[in-house]
Amino acid sequence: KAGVTQTPRYLIKTRGQQVTLSCSPISGHRSVSWYQQTPGQGLQFLFEYFSETQRNKGNFPGRFSGRQFSNSRSEMNVSTLELGDSALYLCASSLDNYQETQYFGPGTRLLVL
Amino acid sequence: DAKTTQPNSMESNEEEPVHLPCNHSTISGTDYIHWYRQLPSQGPEYVIHGLTSNVNNRMASLAIAEDRKSSTLILHRATLRDAAVYYCILRDGGGAGSYQLTFGKGTKLSVIP
Repeated sequence: KAGVTQTPRYLIKTRGQQVTLSCSPISGHRSVSWYQQTPGQGLQFLFEYFSETQRNKGNFPGRFSGRQFSNSRSEMNVSTLELGDSALYLCASSLDNYQETQYFGPGTRLLVL
Repeated sequence: DAKTTQPNSMESNEEEPVHLPCNHSTISGTDYIHWYRQLPSQGPEYVIHGLTSNVNNRMASLAIAEDRKSSTLILHRATLRDAAVYYCILRDGGGAGSYQLTFGKGTKLSVIP
Protein backbone atom coordinates (compact mmCIF):
# COMPACT_ATOMS: atom_id res chain seq x y z
CA LYS A 1 0.00 0.00 0.00
CA ALA A 2 1.18 3.47 -0.78
CA GLY A 3 1.78 5.66 2.25
CA VAL A 4 0.38 9.08 3.02
CA THR A 5 1.40 11.60 0.39
CA GLN A 6 1.53 15.35 0.76
CA THR A 7 1.93 17.99 -1.90
CA PRO A 8 3.76 20.18 -2.36
CA ARG A 9 6.77 19.19 -0.26
CA TYR A 10 8.15 22.71 -0.09
CA LEU A 11 6.52 26.08 -0.48
CA ILE A 12 7.60 29.70 -0.19
CA LYS A 13 4.98 32.40 0.23
CA THR A 14 4.93 36.03 1.32
CA ARG A 15 2.99 37.60 4.15
CA GLY A 16 -0.66 38.19 3.36
CA GLN A 17 -0.91 35.48 0.74
CA GLN A 18 -2.92 32.33 1.17
CA VAL A 19 -1.83 28.72 0.70
CA THR A 20 -3.49 25.35 0.12
CA LEU A 21 -1.81 22.10 1.09
CA SER A 22 -2.95 18.68 -0.04
CA CYS A 23 -2.94 15.28 1.62
CA SER A 24 -3.80 11.88 0.14
CA PRO A 25 -4.39 9.28 2.87
CA ILE A 26 -3.60 5.59 2.73
CA SER A 27 -6.19 3.76 0.67
CA GLY A 28 -9.14 2.79 2.85
CA HIS A 29 -8.37 5.30 5.59
CA ARG A 30 -11.26 7.65 6.29
CA SER A 31 -9.75 9.85 8.98
CA VAL A 32 -7.27 12.60 8.16
CA SER A 33 -5.60 14.79 10.79
CA TRP A 34 -3.39 17.82 10.33
CA TYR A 35 -0.57 18.95 12.60
CA GLN A 36 1.76 21.94 12.63
CA GLN A 37 5.36 21.50 13.75
CA THR A 38 7.59 24.45 14.68
CA PRO A 39 10.84 24.54 16.66
CA GLY A 40 9.23 26.65 19.37
CA GLN A 41 5.86 24.97 19.83
CA GLY A 42 6.63 21.45 18.68
CA LEU A 43 3.88 19.32 17.14
CA GLN A 44 0.40 20.79 17.54
CA PHE A 45 -2.92 19.37 16.43
CA LEU A 46 -4.83 21.50 13.91
CA PHE A 47 -7.96 19.51 13.03
CA GLU A 48 -9.29 16.12 12.08
CA TYR A 49 -11.73 15.12 9.36
CA PHE A 50 -13.75 11.96 9.04
CA SER A 51 -16.20 11.25 6.23
CA GLU A 52 -15.98 14.84 4.99
CA THR A 53 -16.84 16.28 8.43
CA GLN A 54 -14.55 18.13 10.79
CA ARG A 55 -14.72 16.07 13.94
CA ASN A 56 -12.18 17.78 16.18
CA LYS A 57 -10.32 21.06 16.11
CA GLY A 58 -7.22 22.34 17.85
CA ASN A 59 -6.56 25.81 19.20
CA PHE A 60 -5.70 27.69 16.01
CA PRO A 61 -7.18 30.88 14.57
CA GLY A 62 -9.87 30.81 11.93
CA ARG A 63 -7.29 31.57 9.24
CA PHE A 64 -6.56 27.85 9.33
CA SER A 65 -9.25 25.78 7.67
CA GLY A 66 -9.58 22.46 5.97
CA ARG A 67 -11.87 20.15 4.12
CA GLN A 68 -12.12 16.54 3.14
CA PHE A 69 -13.43 15.15 -0.11
CA SER A 70 -15.53 12.06 -0.73
CA ASN A 71 -12.40 10.07 -1.64
CA SER A 72 -10.93 11.00 1.79
CA ARG A 73 -8.30 13.29 0.31
CA SER A 74 -7.94 16.43 2.38
CA GLU A 75 -6.78 19.97 1.92
CA MET A 76 -5.87 22.60 4.44
CA ASN A 77 -5.87 26.30 3.73
CA VAL A 78 -4.14 29.13 5.52
CA SER A 79 -5.29 32.62 4.62
CA THR A 80 -3.51 35.92 5.25
CA LEU A 81 -0.20 34.25 5.97
CA GLU A 82 1.95 35.52 8.83
CA LEU A 83 5.66 34.98 9.39
CA GLY A 84 4.81 32.72 12.33
CA ASP A 85 2.99 30.32 10.03
CA SER A 86 6.35 29.09 8.75
CA ALA A 87 6.35 25.47 9.79
CA LEU A 88 6.26 21.84 8.77
CA TYR A 89 2.65 20.82 8.16
CA LEU A 90 2.03 17.14 8.69
CA CYS A 91 -0.93 15.08 7.63
CA ALA A 92 -1.80 11.75 9.22
CA SER A 93 -4.38 9.19 8.23
CA SER A 94 -5.99 6.30 10.04
CA LEU A 95 -8.87 3.89 9.57
CA ASP A 96 -11.06 5.77 12.01
CA ASN A 97 -8.61 7.43 14.42
CA TYR A 98 -10.49 6.29 17.52
CA GLN A 99 -7.43 4.83 19.23
CA GLU A 100 -6.18 3.70 15.83
CA THR A 101 -2.58 4.12 14.77
CA GLN A 102 -1.98 7.31 12.82
CA TYR A 103 0.24 7.13 9.74
CA PHE A 104 2.04 10.34 8.94
CA GLY A 105 3.12 11.78 5.63
CA PRO A 106 6.50 13.45 5.06
CA GLY A 107 5.03 16.91 5.53
CA THR A 108 4.94 20.16 3.61
CA ARG A 109 7.54 22.69 4.67
CA LEU A 110 6.11 26.20 4.37
CA LEU A 111 8.30 29.28 4.54
CA VAL A 112 6.59 32.65 4.83
CA LEU A 113 8.73 35.66 3.92
CA ASP B 1 -5.20 15.91 28.73
CA ALA B 2 -2.97 14.02 31.16
CA LYS B 3 0.66 15.06 30.70
CA THR B 4 3.82 13.07 30.18
CA THR B 5 7.37 13.88 31.26
CA GLN B 6 10.38 12.63 29.33
CA PRO B 7 14.10 13.40 29.49
CA ASN B 8 15.14 15.90 26.84
CA SER B 9 17.89 13.70 25.45
CA MET B 10 19.61 10.34 25.83
CA GLU B 11 22.60 8.63 24.29
CA SER B 12 23.18 5.00 23.53
CA ASN B 13 25.93 2.95 21.99
CA GLU B 14 25.08 1.06 18.85
CA GLU B 15 23.87 -2.52 19.45
CA GLU B 16 23.23 -1.80 23.14
CA PRO B 17 19.72 -1.89 24.66
CA VAL B 18 18.04 1.47 25.26
CA HIS B 19 15.47 2.22 27.95
CA LEU B 20 13.48 5.40 27.32
CA PRO B 21 11.47 6.46 30.40
CA CYS B 22 8.17 8.32 30.54
CA ASN B 23 6.35 9.58 33.61
CA HIS B 24 2.60 10.08 33.53
CA SER B 25 1.54 10.39 37.15
CA THR B 26 -1.92 11.83 36.32
CA ILE B 27 -2.89 9.05 33.92
CA SER B 28 -6.53 8.05 34.05
CA GLY B 29 -7.88 4.53 33.91
CA THR B 30 -8.96 4.90 30.28
CA ASP B 31 -5.72 6.42 28.96
CA TYR B 32 -3.68 4.32 26.57
CA ILE B 33 0.10 4.86 26.43
CA HIS B 34 1.34 5.37 22.88
CA TRP B 35 4.88 5.84 21.60
CA TYR B 36 5.75 7.48 18.31
CA ARG B 37 9.14 8.45 16.97
CA GLN B 38 10.25 11.02 14.43
CA LEU B 39 13.35 10.35 12.38
CA PRO B 40 15.19 13.38 10.97
CA SER B 41 13.32 15.03 8.10
CA GLN B 42 10.38 12.63 8.35
CA GLY B 43 6.91 12.58 9.83
CA PRO B 44 6.33 10.72 13.10
CA GLU B 45 5.85 6.96 12.97
CA TYR B 46 4.02 4.66 15.35
CA VAL B 47 6.16 2.47 17.57
CA ILE B 48 3.95 0.72 20.13
CA HIS B 49 1.07 1.22 22.53
CA GLY B 50 -0.45 -0.43 25.59
CA LEU B 51 -2.95 -0.05 28.41
CA THR B 52 -1.88 -2.13 31.41
CA SER B 53 0.17 -5.13 30.33
CA ASN B 54 3.65 -5.10 28.86
CA VAL B 55 3.65 -5.21 25.07
CA ASN B 56 6.13 -6.45 22.49
CA ASN B 57 6.33 -5.96 18.75
CA ARG B 58 9.04 -6.23 16.14
CA MET B 59 10.23 -2.69 16.79
CA ALA B 60 10.28 -2.46 20.58
CA SER B 61 8.87 -3.47 23.94
CA LEU B 62 6.74 -1.37 26.26
CA ALA B 63 7.02 -1.95 30.00
CA ILE B 64 4.21 -0.38 32.03
CA ALA B 65 4.52 0.09 35.79
CA GLU B 66 1.96 -1.66 37.95
CA ASP B 67 0.45 1.67 39.07
CA ARG B 68 0.61 2.91 35.44
CA LYS B 69 2.26 6.15 36.50
CA SER B 70 5.30 5.45 34.39
CA SER B 71 6.36 3.40 31.41
CA THR B 72 9.56 2.51 29.58
CA LEU B 73 10.11 2.01 25.89
CA ILE B 74 12.80 -0.60 25.31
CA LEU B 75 14.80 -0.87 22.12
CA HIS B 76 16.60 -4.17 22.41
CA ARG B 77 19.56 -3.37 20.15
CA ALA B 78 19.95 0.24 19.12
CA THR B 79 20.99 0.88 15.54
CA LEU B 80 21.97 4.13 13.89
CA ARG B 81 18.54 4.16 12.27
CA ASP B 82 16.95 4.40 15.74
CA ALA B 83 18.34 7.92 16.24
CA ALA B 84 15.17 9.97 16.49
CA VAL B 85 12.92 11.96 18.79
CA TYR B 86 10.71 9.59 20.78
CA TYR B 87 7.32 10.80 21.98
CA CYS B 88 5.34 9.24 24.81
CA ILE B 89 1.66 10.15 24.37
CA LEU B 90 -1.47 9.43 26.38
CA ARG B 91 -4.63 8.87 24.39
CA ASP B 92 -7.98 8.94 26.13
CA GLY B 93 -9.90 5.72 25.68
CA GLY B 94 -13.06 7.71 25.08
CA GLY B 95 -14.24 11.22 24.31
CA ALA B 96 -12.78 13.93 22.14
CA GLY B 97 -9.23 13.32 23.30
CA SER B 98 -9.13 10.04 21.49
CA TYR B 99 -9.25 11.80 18.13
CA GLN B 100 -5.89 13.54 18.37
CA LEU B 101 -2.33 12.97 19.42
CA THR B 102 -1.02 15.49 21.96
CA PHE B 103 2.74 15.61 21.54
CA GLY B 104 5.15 16.79 24.22
CA LYS B 105 8.80 17.67 23.65
CA GLY B 106 9.91 14.05 23.46
CA THR B 107 13.33 12.51 24.05
CA LYS B 108 16.02 12.97 21.45
CA LEU B 109 17.93 9.70 21.21
CA SER B 110 21.45 9.77 19.82
CA VAL B 111 23.10 6.49 18.86
CA ILE B 112 26.88 6.37 18.96
CA PRO B 113 28.60 4.05 16.47
